[in-house]
Amino acid sequence: KQEVTQIPAALSVPEGENLVLNCSFTDSAIYNLQWFRQDPGKGLTSLLLIQSSQREQTSGRLNASLDKSSGRSTLYIAASQPGDSATYLCAVPMIKAAGNKLTFGGGTRVLVKP
Amino acid sequence: DARVTQTPRHKVTEMGQEVTMRCQPILGHNTVFWYRQTMMQGLELLAYFRNRAPLDDSGMPKDRFSAEMPDATLATLKIQPSEPRDSAVYFCASVKWGFRYNEQFFGPGTRLTVL
Repeated sequence: KQEVTQIPAALSVPEGENLVLNCSFTDSAIYNLQWFRQDPGKGLTSLLLIQSSQREQTSGRLNASLDKSSGRSTLYIAASQPGDSATYLCAVPMIKAAGNKLTFGGGTRVLVKP
Repeated sequence: DARVTQTPRHKVTEMGQEVTMRCQPILGHNTVFWYRQTMMQGLELLAYFRNRAPLDDSGMPKDRFSAEMPDATLATLKIQPSEPRDSAVYFCASVKWGFRYNEQFFGPGTRLTVL
């Protein structure tokens, strides 16, 4: 059974500092890995989707890396801003599971202090 | 700006009452997922449909929960009878299967409180 872990559960940084968020998964047979952002009381917003054949995906200040062999993905957010404060979740669908069922990590709650 | 919509956004009800939550997937998306989020369990998949047919509902307590997709523009999740332990935020997500590596797009959720 796939298990997805995000450590730390919470992170507080001063504005301008780079953010590094970690995601680990136990079964490397994944189809892709998706990073989401969730604001309090809101739904999930898809940030980046990195395919299993890719090692990296970038969107603006966000960069996600994927190392399937070690079961890890890292989300980097450059030059953090207070507006980046949110909970960040990673999720993986299994190749073997029918229908792209996502298994989610517990999330990392980020606070960027002005 | 295409997005998944869910109604109601908030629902407070008493134990034993029936609750129906609705989801409108993004137009053209043919796969719909229902998730539940709680502080203790995080995000859990309850059920999902493709082309309106249920593919997997193994995550759902079948004695009280039911999920349907009456047409391509509407998915419903029903709880009858509701219990306090059902209090959670319920999300639906939609996918255009085979497009953009099956990226899932989430609705804003329905926050359910069962007293």
